[in-house]
Amino acid sequence: KAGVTQTPRYLIKTRGQQVTLSCSPISGHRSVSWYQQTPGQGLQFLFEYFSETQRNKGNFPGRFSGRQFSNSRSEMNVSTLELGDSALYLCASSLETSGVGEQFFGPGTRLTVL
Amino acid sequence: SQQGEEDPQALSIQEGENATMNCSYKTSINNLQWYRQNSGRGLVHLILIRSNEREKHSGRLRVTLDTSKKSSSLLITASRAADTASYFCATDAGGYNKLIFGAGTRLAVHP
Repeated sequence: KAGVTQTPRYLIKTRGQQVTLSCSPISGHRSVSWYQQTPGQGLQFLFEYFSETQRNKGNFPGRFSGRQFSNSRSEMNVSTLELGDSALYLCASSLETSGVGEQFFGPGTRLTVL
Repeated sequence: SQQGEEDPQALSIQEGENATMNCSYKTSINNLQWYRQNSGRGLVHLILIRSNEREKHSGRLRVTLDTSKKSSSLLITASRAADTASYFCATDAGGYNKLIFGAGTRLAVHP
């Protein structure tokens, strides 16, 4: 089975721009979660989608949004980029439908905001 | 905000030695997981231990959980250079596949 894939792997943007990151989960996994990893704040949960519905959200401003498609693929969007948005963005998929289960992470998208 | 704290922040050992990492958390949990991350890449799931379990083994890994002390430990026996990575504990206190991660322990295993 193919693992979680994320595109693009690297991205350079300037302040004020917006960016869209994509995640394809493992086949059969309907839950997709997104995390931001920075040296200062560590790994922080952004949101989780299941069957095209956002079920859980972290403590991030509204500039961070996401969606999930009927094939479980997910995208996250960051608008009006700030320098502090530079981070590794990780996507994870899971078979778990109701609680918290083992999560399978993609390689991440490294976003640099100049 | 992070749920847990890991100790030590960094650990340097020789191949063949054992490595022990500790994790403390703040709220009640249903399960606790450990993940490994190599050089800023994706995380790899190592082991999940449920709140009603006290110890779990997987290959060279041994995880313990003490819910009364809100703490867990990860022991890697007979370490190899390939074990060099950052190790994170994560709890499920957030619901619906929301993991709350600790700050991680950076392990360096020298040949």
